[in-house]
Amino acid sequence: GAGVSQSPRYKVTKRGQDVALRCDPISGHVSLYWYRQALGQGPEFLTYFNYEAQQDKSGLPNDRFSAERPEGSISTLTIQRTEQRDSAMYRCASSLGGPQGEQYFGPGTRLTVT
Amino acid sequence: ILNVEQSPQSLHVQEGDSTNFTCSFPSSNFYALHWYRWETAKSPEALFVMTLNGDEKKKGRISATLNTKEGYSYLYIKGSQPEDSATYLCAFIDAGGYQKVTFGIGTKLQVIP
Repeated sequence: GAGVSQSPRYKVTKRGQDVALRCDPISGHVSLYWYRQALGQGPEFLTYFNYEAQQDKSGLPNDRFSAERPEGSISTLTIQRTEQRDSAMYRCASSLGGPQGEQYFGPGTRLTVT
Repeated sequence: ILNVEQSPQSLHVQEGDSTNFTCSFPSSNFYALHWYRWETAKSPEALFVMTLNGDEKKKGRISATLNTKEGYSYLYIKGSQPEDSATYLCAFIDAGGYQKVTFGIGTKLQVIP
């Protein structure tokens, strides 16, 4: 079956612009996670959802970052007024139910802020 | 900030050698520990989900153990092969209100043919 997909795969934007990154989880997966990954580093937790409810957003760096999952399926991570330090790989993952379940990762969106 | 540490950060082994590495995590508020295998330019893939103290899991030549009381997990690879070369990530899930996931920085394994 289809895995987790993300779009766009690559995004280059100018400093100050807003960007929206999309994650399409595996159908039926309850939990959805967003991570940021610097080059050569492990994923850094940003936020996660169970269904449409955002359970924990403590990892969002500041209030320029927000995420939503309005219908409990597709999720969007939005970064407003992008800064160069926001450049990273943004990955999402989904799991069947809750943090005990193994996570299936998407291919990521490589964001470059110039 | 939860402290999840992996050691060593990198290692090189000869093909056929067995190896192991460590993930250390807070011993309080344990909920689950995951191991992932991450090849460069790909996405992390789940190896094991471990939830109980004393858990031992095995998948082929790879196995893992868990000690929640002392806060560590070992990943073992028996008879390393070049295709085992990857970064191995552990992820700690705490039992606090929202079960936050904290990844270690990984152990990068290079198996030399």
